[in-house]
Amino acid sequence: GAVVSQHPSRVICKSGTSVKIECRSLDFQATTMFWYRQFPKQSLMLMATSNEGSKATYEQGVEKDKFLINHASLTLSTLTVTSAHPEDSSFYICSARRIPGKSSSYEQYFGPGTRLTVT
Amino acid sequence: AQKVTQAQTEISVVEKEDVTLDCVYETRDTTYYLFWYKQPPSGELVFLIRRNSFDEQNEISGRYSWNFQKSTSSFNFTITASQVVDSAVYFCALKGNTPLVFGKGTRLSVIA
Repeated sequence: GAVVSQHPSRVICKSGTSVKIECRSLDFQATTMFWYRQFPKQSLMLMATSNEGSKATYEQGVEKDKFLINHASLTLSTLTVTSAHPEDSSFYICSARRIPGKSSSYEQYFGPGTRLTVT
Repeated sequence: AQKVTQAQTEISVVEKEDVTLDCVYETRDTTYYLFWYKQPPSGELVFLIRRNSFDEQNEISGRYSWNFQKSTSSFNFTITASQVVDSAVYFCALKGNTPLVFGKGTRLSVIA
């Protein structure tokens, strides 16, 4: 099966600092990766879509200067929360789209999530 | 615009009862995919099923079954003989020509 990992799984940081979250597709190549944010008892909200080697596309209302996304290779995307504040505390989930094989069916796999707490 | 509605916010059932989670979607795309995911307390999304818009066959997998009806734009999920381990939040999602869109989720509690 397709596996997506995230690191770290949990992180606590002080207000004003920056935090980097890594997302890796372990056994497949992903031209497209997605970053979601989930507040407690709410649904997943797409923050941005990143394609390998190009700039990320951010959803409306998401500050691109605050949430820096880098997709430098077909297996790695990073999300950096800059100058974090307590309201950025959330569960961040990455997802990777597998390059379609013979079936051409849409396949998107999710990482286990990173719980960020900003104090 | 694409939209997924899960009208049931929370459901509570007693173990061994059957339970159906509703999902209604909106899309103008002729080709699209529908998904169900389970999110246990650990937070990790567990993929349950993917169905494309051209395949209206219902599917059964063990105690899980799905009823896809394009006429009513619904993709409902039934758990038969529920178990405590089924307690989780369940998300229905839609993928058309835009990124995957999630419903708000249904929190299922199965009581022993």
